[in-house]
Amino acid sequence: GAVVSQHPSWVICKSGTSVKIECRSLDFQATTMFWYRQFPKQSLMLMATSNEGSKATYEQGVEKDKFLINHASLTLSTLTVTSAHPEDSSFYICSAGEPLAKNIQYFGAGTRLSVL
Amino acid sequence: DAKTTQPTSMDCAEGRAANLPCNHSTISGNEYVYWYRQIHSQGPQYIIHGLKNNETNEMASLIITEDRKSSTLILPHATLRDTAVYYCIVIRGTSYGKLTFGQGTILTVHP
Repeated sequence: GAVVSQHPSWVICKSGTSVKIECRSLDFQATTMFWYRQFPKQSLMLMATSNEGSKATYEQGVEKDKFLINHASLTLSTLTVTSAHPEDSSFYICSAGEPLAKNIQYFGAGTRLSVL
Repeated sequence: DAKTTQPTSMDCAEGRAANLPCNHSTISGNEYVYWYRQIHSQGPQYIIHGLKNNETNEMASLIITEDRKSSTLILPHATLRDTAVYYCIVIRGTSYGKLTFGQGTILTVHP
Protein backbone atom coordinates (compact mmCIF):
# COMPACT_ATOMS: atom_id res chain seq x y z
CA GLY A 1 0.00 0.00 0.00
CA ALA A 2 0.89 3.66 -0.12
CA VAL A 3 3.32 5.12 2.38
CA VAL A 4 2.99 8.25 4.46
CA SER A 5 6.13 9.42 6.20
CA GLN A 6 5.99 11.63 9.26
CA HIS A 7 8.94 13.40 10.84
CA PRO A 8 10.11 13.71 13.53
CA SER A 9 8.83 10.70 15.41
CA TRP A 10 9.62 12.27 18.77
CA VAL A 11 10.39 15.81 19.85
CA ILE A 12 10.99 17.50 23.18
CA CYS A 13 10.86 21.27 23.36
CA LYS A 14 10.79 24.07 25.88
CA SER A 15 7.60 25.89 26.66
CA GLY A 16 7.12 28.89 24.37
CA THR A 17 9.01 27.49 21.41
CA SER A 18 7.55 26.34 18.10
CA VAL A 19 7.71 22.86 16.64
CA LYS A 20 7.22 21.83 13.02
CA ILE A 21 6.01 18.36 12.04
CA GLU A 22 6.24 17.14 8.46
CA CYS A 23 3.94 14.69 6.69
CA ARG A 24 4.90 13.37 3.28
CA SER A 25 3.12 11.06 0.88
CA LEU A 26 5.99 9.07 -0.60
CA ASP A 27 4.55 7.39 -3.66
CA PHE A 28 1.35 9.24 -4.43
CA GLN A 29 0.02 12.76 -4.61
CA ALA A 30 -2.33 13.98 -1.93
CA THR A 31 -4.41 17.10 -2.46
CA THR A 32 -5.86 16.58 1.00
CA MET A 33 -4.19 15.46 4.19
CA PHE A 34 -5.56 15.26 7.69
CA TRP A 35 -4.01 16.03 11.08
CA TYR A 36 -5.10 14.27 14.25
CA ARG A 37 -4.16 14.56 17.89
CA GLN A 38 -4.31 11.73 20.41
CA PHE A 39 -3.97 12.07 24.16
CA PRO A 40 -3.00 9.06 26.30
CA LYS A 41 -5.68 6.39 26.50
CA GLN A 42 -7.95 8.38 24.22
CA SER A 43 -9.01 8.04 20.62
CA LEU A 44 -7.81 10.12 17.69
CA MET A 45 -9.35 13.55 17.37
CA LEU A 46 -9.35 15.27 14.00
CA MET A 47 -7.72 18.67 14.21
CA ALA A 48 -7.79 19.94 10.66
CA THR A 49 -7.98 19.18 6.98
CA SER A 50 -4.94 20.30 5.02
CA ASN A 51 -5.71 21.37 1.46
CA GLU A 52 -2.99 21.72 -1.16
CA GLY A 53 -2.74 25.28 -2.38
CA SER A 54 -5.40 26.67 -0.07
CA LYS A 55 -6.13 27.32 3.58
CA ALA A 56 -6.61 24.47 5.98
CA THR A 57 -10.00 23.75 7.46
CA TYR A 58 -9.96 23.48 11.25
CA GLU A 59 -12.32 21.51 13.46
CA GLN A 60 -14.33 23.32 16.07
CA GLY A 61 -12.25 24.23 19.09
CA VAL A 62 -8.87 23.99 17.34
CA GLU A 63 -6.99 27.28 17.29
CA LYS A 64 -5.81 27.97 13.78
CA ASP A 65 -3.26 30.54 14.93
CA LYS A 66 -1.69 28.03 17.28
CA PHE A 67 -1.63 25.07 14.91
CA LEU A 68 -0.38 26.41 11.60
CA ILE A 69 -0.83 24.13 8.63
CA ASN A 70 0.89 24.53 5.30
CA HIS A 71 0.28 22.26 2.31
CA ALA A 72 2.50 23.81 -0.33
CA SER A 73 2.96 20.76 -2.53
CA LEU A 74 1.05 17.63 -3.47
CA THR A 75 3.28 15.48 -1.28
CA LEU A 76 3.99 17.59 1.79
CA SER A 77 1.92 19.05 4.59
CA THR A 78 3.40 20.61 7.71
CA LEU A 79 1.90 21.28 11.12
CA THR A 80 3.59 23.91 13.26
CA VAL A 81 2.68 24.07 16.93
CA THR A 82 3.41 27.67 17.84
CA SER A 83 4.32 28.83 21.33
CA ALA A 84 3.97 25.31 22.63
CA HIS A 85 2.89 24.73 26.22
CA PRO A 86 2.83 21.55 28.31
CA GLU A 87 -0.86 21.02 27.56
CA ASP A 88 0.07 20.68 23.87
CA SER A 89 2.04 17.55 24.69
CA SER A 90 0.37 14.81 22.70
CA PHE A 91 0.70 12.30 19.87
CA TYR A 92 0.16 14.01 16.51
CA ILE A 93 -0.69 11.88 13.48
CA CYS A 94 -1.22 12.76 9.84
CA SER A 95 -2.96 10.87 7.07
CA ALA A 96 -3.42 11.01 3.33
CA GLY A 97 -5.90 9.18 1.16
CA GLU A 98 -5.66 6.67 -1.63
CA PRO A 99 -6.18 8.93 -4.69
CA LEU A 100 -9.00 6.81 -6.15
CA ALA A 101 -10.51 5.75 -2.82
CA LYS A 102 -10.01 8.56 -0.39
CA ASN A 103 -11.71 6.88 2.55
CA ILE A 104 -8.78 4.47 2.56
CA GLN A 105 -6.42 6.63 4.55
CA TYR A 106 -2.74 5.94 5.06
CA PHE A 107 -1.36 7.21 8.32
CA GLY A 108 2.04 8.41 9.36
CA ALA A 109 3.75 6.75 12.29
CA GLY A 110 2.96 9.74 14.48
CA THR A 111 4.97 12.37 16.32
CA ARG A 112 5.15 12.36 20.07
CA LEU A 113 5.52 15.92 21.33
CA SER A 114 6.63 16.60 24.88
CA VAL A 115 6.67 20.24 25.97
CA LEU A 116 8.65 20.94 29.13
CA ASP B 1 -22.14 9.76 9.60
CA ALA B 2 -23.84 6.97 11.52
CA LYS B 3 -22.79 6.27 15.10
CA THR B 4 -21.08 2.97 15.88
CA THR B 5 -20.97 0.90 19.06
CA GLN B 6 -18.17 -1.54 19.82
CA PRO B 7 -17.26 -3.55 22.91
CA THR B 8 -14.55 -1.88 24.96
CA SER B 9 -12.28 -4.88 25.01
CA MET B 10 -11.95 -8.49 23.86
CA ASP B 11 -9.50 -11.31 24.36
CA CYS B 12 -8.47 -14.00 21.94
CA ALA B 13 -6.09 -16.93 22.02
CA GLU B 14 -3.26 -16.97 19.53
CA GLY B 15 -4.12 -19.03 16.47
CA ARG B 16 -7.85 -18.76 17.01
CA ALA B 17 -10.26 -16.57 15.09
CA ALA B 18 -10.97 -13.12 16.52
CA ASN B 19 -14.49 -11.88 15.85
CA LEU B 20 -14.96 -8.18 16.53
CA PRO B 21 -18.55 -6.89 16.41
CA CYS B 22 -19.76 -3.43 15.53
CA ASN B 23 -23.26 -2.06 15.78
CA HIS B 24 -24.33 0.66 13.37
CA SER B 25 -28.11 0.54 13.50
CA THR B 26 -28.58 4.04 12.04
CA ILE B 27 -26.47 3.42 8.92
CA SER B 28 -27.90 4.89 5.75
CA GLY B 29 -27.83 3.52 2.24
CA ASN B 30 -24.83 5.49 1.00
CA GLU B 31 -22.62 4.77 4.02
CA TYR B 32 -19.81 2.24 4.05
CA VAL B 33 -18.33 0.30 6.95
CA TYR B 34 -14.58 0.75 7.35
CA TRP B 35 -12.24 -0.96 9.80
CA TYR B 36 -8.93 0.41 10.95
CA ARG B 37 -6.61 -0.70 13.71
CA GLN B 38 -3.98 1.06 15.78
CA ILE B 39 -1.11 -0.83 17.31
CA HIS B 40 0.25 0.87 20.40
CA SER B 41 2.11 4.14 19.68
CA GLN B 42 1.71 3.83 15.92
CA GLY B 43 -0.54 5.43 13.35
CA PRO B 44 -3.75 3.61 12.42
CA GLN B 45 -3.77 1.06 9.63
CA TYR B 46 -6.56 0.42 7.14
CA ILE B 47 -7.90 -3.14 7.25
CA ILE B 48 -10.99 -3.55 5.10
CA HIS B 49 -14.26 -1.95 4.11
CA GLY B 50 -17.64 -2.90 2.66
CA LEU B 51 -21.04 -1.61 1.67
CA LYS B 52 -23.38 -4.59 1.92
CA ASN B 53 -21.60 -7.67 0.61
CA ASN B 54 -19.16 -9.65 2.68
CA GLU B 55 -15.55 -8.84 1.91
CA THR B 56 -12.26 -10.64 2.36
CA ASN B 57 -8.68 -9.59 1.86
CA GLU B 58 -5.29 -10.78 3.03
CA MET B 59 -5.78 -9.27 6.46
CA ALA B 60 -9.36 -10.04 7.42
CA SER B 61 -12.95 -10.76 6.50
CA LEU B 62 -15.88 -8.42 6.95
CA ILE B 63 -19.35 -9.81 7.46
CA ILE B 64 -22.21 -7.31 7.16
CA THR B 65 -25.70 -8.37 8.18
CA GLU B 66 -28.42 -8.26 5.58
CA ASP B 67 -30.11 -5.27 7.22
CA ARG B 68 -26.66 -3.59 7.47
CA LYS B 69 -27.24 -2.66 11.09
CA SER B 70 -24.22 -4.54 12.32
CA SER B 71 -21.00 -6.08 11.11
CA THR B 72 -18.22 -8.36 12.29
CA LEU B 73 -14.54 -8.14 11.52
CA ILE B 74 -12.90 -11.55 11.50
CA LEU B 75 -9.18 -12.14 11.92
CA PRO B 76 -9.05 -15.82 10.99
CA HIS B 77 -5.88 -16.82 12.82
CA ALA B 78 -4.97 -14.16 15.33
CA THR B 79 -1.32 -13.63 16.23
CA LEU B 80 0.27 -11.65 19.04
CA ARG B 81 0.97 -8.87 16.53
CA ASP B 82 -2.77 -8.42 16.06
CA THR B 83 -3.05 -6.97 19.56
CA ALA B 84 -4.34 -3.46 18.87
CA VAL B 85 -7.31 -1.11 19.11
CA TYR B 86 -9.79 -1.84 16.33
CA TYR B 87 -12.00 0.95 15.05
CA CYS B 88 -15.24 0.46 13.15
CA ILE B 89 -16.11 3.62 11.20
CA VAL B 90 -19.22 4.29 9.15
CA ILE B 91 -18.69 6.92 6.50
CA ARG B 92 -20.32 8.22 3.36
CA GLY B 93 -18.62 7.38 0.11
CA THR B 94 -18.22 11.09 -0.63
CA SER B 95 -16.51 11.97 2.64
CA TYR B 96 -13.06 12.02 1.06
CA GLY B 97 -11.26 10.54 3.97
CA LYS B 98 -12.45 12.63 6.87
CA LEU B 99 -12.63 9.90 9.51
CA THR B 100 -14.25 10.10 12.94
CA PHE B 101 -12.73 7.65 15.38
CA GLY B 102 -14.73 6.30 18.31
CA GLN B 103 -13.20 4.49 21.27
CA GLY B 104 -12.79 1.21 19.40
CA THR B 105 -12.23 -2.29 20.77
CA ILE B 106 -8.99 -3.18 22.50
CA LEU B 107 -8.16 -6.68 21.25
CA THR B 108 -5.61 -8.58 23.28
CA VAL B 109 -4.26 -11.77 21.77
CA HIS B 110 -2.85 -14.16 24.36
CA PRO B 111 -0.20 -16.85 23.80
